[in-house]
Amino acid sequence: EPEVTQTPSHQVTQMGQEVILRCVPISNHLYFYWYRQILGQKVEFLVSFYNNEISEKSEIFDDQFSVERPDGSNFTLKIRSTKLEDSAMYFCASSDNLGNNQPQHFGDGTRLSIL
Amino acid sequence: GDSVTQMEGPVTLSEEAFLTINCTYTATGYPSLFWYVQYPGEGLQLLLKATKADDKGSNKGFEATYRKETTSFHLEKGSVQVSDSAVYFCALPFYNTDKLIFGTGTRLQVFP
Repeated sequence: EPEVTQTPSHQVTQMGQEVILRCVPISNHLYFYWYRQILGQKVEFLVSFYNNEISEKSEIFDDQFSVERPDGSNFTLKIRSTKLEDSAMYFCASSDNLGNNQPQHFGDGTRLSIL
Repeated sequence: GDSVTQMEGPVTLSEEAFLTINCTYTATGYPSLFWYVQYPGEGLQLLLKATKADDKGSNKGFEATYRKETTSFHLEKGSVQVSDSAVYFCALPFYNTDKLIFGTGTRLQVFP
């Protein structure tokens, strides 16, 4: 079964440094998402992306965050200047259609640790 | 606004016990409802879904029925296995968007 893949599985970065989290969505999917889960807390929506632009973003997704689909397969999340509170598990997801009954398929996540 | 409330965990059961994990929601309209499962060290996997009132989603022996009258989507399994040990998340799409709102997750621990 096709799956969403994320790299790296664990990223350790110094506070203030830039980090890029990478995702390869399922190949025929058109809608892409990033979520995060701070340890012990809920999974929170960050951003959705379709047709090479952001379709929706949460209040968490401030100017320090950006997303990009640099080629036909990758979907990246960049944090420009990391803060301690950015430490979390980041999940990428994709779906093949819009509509509230279309499930989103998630990757295994990247654990980001900010020191 | 739209929200999901799950029962606190952990839920600790012996193998072959009956499982219920409660989920209630508040939503504008009648969104689809989902259960996701997160096995140790892995990502979120869709377990089952229901798209309208009275629908029953089922997969791997798990079931959940979309109850509009009680705004609930409780997850049940008749006989749990050790391999079912995981964190279970109830979720729904926020009104008129495709972003998912998740419950806090319920950890299930099954012992032999």
